[in-house]
Amino acid sequence: SAVISQKPSRDICQRGTSLTIQCQVDSQVTMMFWYRQQPGQSLTLIATANQGSEATYESGFVIDKFPISRPNLTFSTLTVSNMSPEDSSIYLCSVGDRANTEAFFGQGTRLTVV
Amino acid sequence: DAKTTQPTSMDCAEGRAANLPCNHSTISGNEYVYWYRQIHSQGPQYIIHGLKNNETNEMASLIITEDRKSSTLILPHATLRDTAVYYCIVRTGYSTLTFGKGTMLLVSP
Repeated sequence: SAVISQKPSRDICQRGTSLTIQCQVDSQVTMMFWYRQQPGQSLTLIATANQGSEATYESGFVIDKFPISRPNLTFSTLTVSNMSPEDSSIYLCSVGDRANTEAFFGQGTRLTVV
Repeated sequence: DAKTTQPTSMDCAEGRAANLPCNHSTISGNEYVYWYRQIHSQGPQYIIHGLKNNETNEMASLIITEDRKSSTLILPHATLRDTAVYYCIVRTGYSTLTFGKGTMLLVSP
């Protein structure tokens, strides 16, 4: 299994600012994913972070709002830009490297925008 | 469109078996059934997955019907720490996990 560390674990931010969330994995993985979980809701996939190429975003999410970096096979960042209170959510990093096997999740970053 | 259907909530007495059902009537031949759970304020935790045979690990058992249109996750001796939202997901290959609303399991003393 993969061990995933996310930083920060939580933050309170002012509207209009940006926050960068880091995801570190203890082994090299091909596929990394970023999810959002709004209060009381299920998880929604934001994007797939690809090493060496641009991230692939899901419908409703755009690069200008959620820029993603993937500089190597063990690390990725997600930035939440120009934040508003509607961005208050838990953001989760996930990795899954082999077909038909389990994916693993970090503990998430709880973001509150005031 | 939701690919799985689960009850919104279930209750279970501590020490008893918790049987969580999931319907996936449109599952295709190469899709696996995965179960995850999310304890409050934590990231989802993988439980078990299977294709067509029943599976068992240290956490749970997964029973998949012969036609593969439904499955049941069994926690043999539920504890208070098993209180969580349980997600049933169908997935193939490298495809991403699509989470539905899941089942809120409440284990009571």
